[in-house]
Formats: sequence, C-alpha cells, structure tokens
Amino acid sequence: NAGVTQTPKFQVLKTGQSMTLQCAQDMNHEYMSWYRQDPGMGLRLIHYSVGAGITDQGEVPNGYNVSRSTTEDFPLRLLSAAPSQTSVYFCASRKQGSGANVLTFGAGSRLTVL
Amino acid sequence: AQSVAQPEDQVNVAEGNPLTVKCTYSVSGNPYLFWYVQYPNRGLQFLLKYITGDNLVKGSYGFEAEFNKSQTSFHLKKPSALVSDSALYFCAVRDIAAVGGYQKVTFGTGTKLQVIP
Repeated sequence: NAGVTQTPKFQVLKTGQSMTLQCAQDMNHEYMSWYRQDPGMGLRLIHYSVGAGITDQGEVPNGYNVSRSTTEDFPLRLLSAAPSQTSVYFCASRKQGSGANVLTFGAGSRLTVL
Repeated sequence: AQSVAQPEDQVNVAEGNPLTVKCTYSVSGNPYLFWYVQYPNRGLQFLLKYITGDNLVKGSYGFEAEFNKSQTSFHLKKPSALVSDSALYFCAVRDIAAVGGYQKVTFGTGTKLQVIP
C-alpha cells in the first residue's frame, strides 16, 4: 500500500548514543517532515524538506540532523541522545504546490532515552 | 505568527449523542484549516479541511466542521457519536498568505474524545 513507512517502531537508547530513524514514502511527495509528539504539547516540527538536497529547520531542531538525498527517503539522525528526546516521532509528507494539500503520516517511532 | 487552541484536553460523550470538539485559531491572513484524528498507536489521519467557500465542511466517518470567521473557530462535530470515534483529535492551521517552501502547518495540542457506551 502506498504511504509513509517509518522504522523502527520502538527504540530504547542510552544517553549519548546515536541512531537514525528511517522514513520512506512512495507517493512522489516533494515535501517531507519530521514531528515529535509530546503529551500536552501536540506536534512540533523538527525539520522539513521541500525536495531532494533541500532541508531546513522547524521549531525544535536542536539535537537532530536530516538529509534528503532522494525524493523517497528522509532519515532523522540523533547525534547524541538525551532523555529530553524521549518522544514519539512522526514522519509526514505531502505534495507541494497548494498549501491546502494534506499531510500523510507514518505510524510513528517511539523512542525512549535512558 | 499563527496558532491553534484546543481548549479541552478531553471530551466525554454518550454513544448516540452529538459531539463537538472545539478549535480556535489565529492567523494574520486567511486560513486553511484541518482536522486530523489519531487512533491509539497509529499516525494521524486526515479527516477534513476548510479552504474557501461553504462554511460547513463534511469529511470522513460522518464528521463535519463549521468555519466561523468572526469567532475564528473551526469546531468539529458529529450528529451521533460512536464508540469507535474514541480517539485523539488535532486541529491544524496554515496561513494562506505564508510564502516560500516552508508552508508551515501549526497543530493544536489535541483533544481526547471518549465515547461512552
């Protein structure tokens, strides 16, 4: 089925470890983004990309890196994990062009940093 | 700056009763408005959106929302709630006047809907 695929679904890290959350979409969407979801805070934008080779920061980018080498993939890297990065992470994509285009979300990746 | 407020953390409603989930927004220009739903351990799914035109928007699963420009509100409604409607609901806004590739969408903090059998 077409959509956004995130891996892994669950991950436990120790403080200081690094890891990459994977995101892939097969809908040829130009726009891809990463959000984190925390209780009482809704969804906050971490990083986004409007096409291959183009990325930019969202609201809460510190501690995270992204790259966009292909249209399909948009990995999120945690360089040195901290307990404050314990959260549920969502990748989302949409067609560019109209601001009314809706986001398609992945199923989420639950990260715990000890 | 744009913002969204969902004043209720949780809404409880009896099955078969009408439900309303509230949302107010703030943008400098005209808004695009969205409702998304999140079922447990799932990603967000699109329910409906307001772009322009008719203030009453109909969406998936029998949900509808009413755009009220004077009150800057976009409340989600359903005439008869089902137990299966129990989920987390997010309102989101984008300022039509925003330019550039960012096209930021701002989400509310979410409202948990509990439909009681």
